[in-house]
Amino acid sequence: DIQMTQSPSSLSASVGDRVTITCRASQSIKNYLNWYQQKPGQAPKILIYAASSLQGGVPSRFSGSGSGTDFTLTISTLQPEDFATYYCQQSYRTPLYSFGQGTRVEI
Amino acid sequence: QVQLVQSGVEMKKPGASVKISCEASGYTFSTYYIHWLRQARGQGLEWVGVINPIGGKTTSAERLQDRVSMTRDTSTSTAYLELNNLRSEDTATYYCARDYSGTAGGIPGFFYMDVWGKGTPVIVSS
Repeated sequence: DIQMTQSPSSLSASVGDRVTITCRASQSIKNYLNWYQQKPGQAPKILIYAASSLQGGVPSRFSGSGSGTDFTLTISTLQPEDFATYYCQQSYRTPLYSFGQGTRVEI
Repeated sequence: QVQLVQSGVEMKKPGASVKISCEASGYTFSTYYIHWLRQARGQGLEWVGVINPIGGKTTSAERLQDRVSMTRDTSTSTAYLELNNLRSEDTATYYCARDYSGTAGGIPGFFYMDVWGKGTPVIVSS
């Protein structure tokens, strides 16, 4: 199994801040890495796929980078609606997916 | 529009079984795999399994594979997840999600879950 590890598990930030979340895979997954956002009481929503490709309709303040085992999700200017939990997910071993444990972004 | 509509809340006793449905609309059901995931309250996402609507082949998480069954009915564009011998630790919200293949840098084959159901809460309690 491919293990995904995110850090930090939670962070506090203010509107306007630049936020960075990291995700590490237990083996190389090339760029088969996706990022999701989940708000309380809602299903997750895809933000970024293939490590750095922005899903349609997602604001450009979200960006992703990385390859191999180390990846980053960056929110350039945090907005009030961005307070949520973010998950990374590998699709290298499709369809056997695995997720990071999540990073909660709070005020 | 493309959507996945899941069945409602389920309350079950330990040892019972539960069967959850996920009805697809707005697209050709057979074109995309359907994944099942679950999330206990306050916890992260756990991948449960996946079904190929063409042929019905399934793959499930190793720790659940002896208790989980996934099926589909192509005539109604519906996928089903059945979990047997329920335990309190199976209490969670269960999601279905469509597996989509995107293109990045001109290269196809980057899979991600693009459409999700709203979730089905399953409560296991005596």
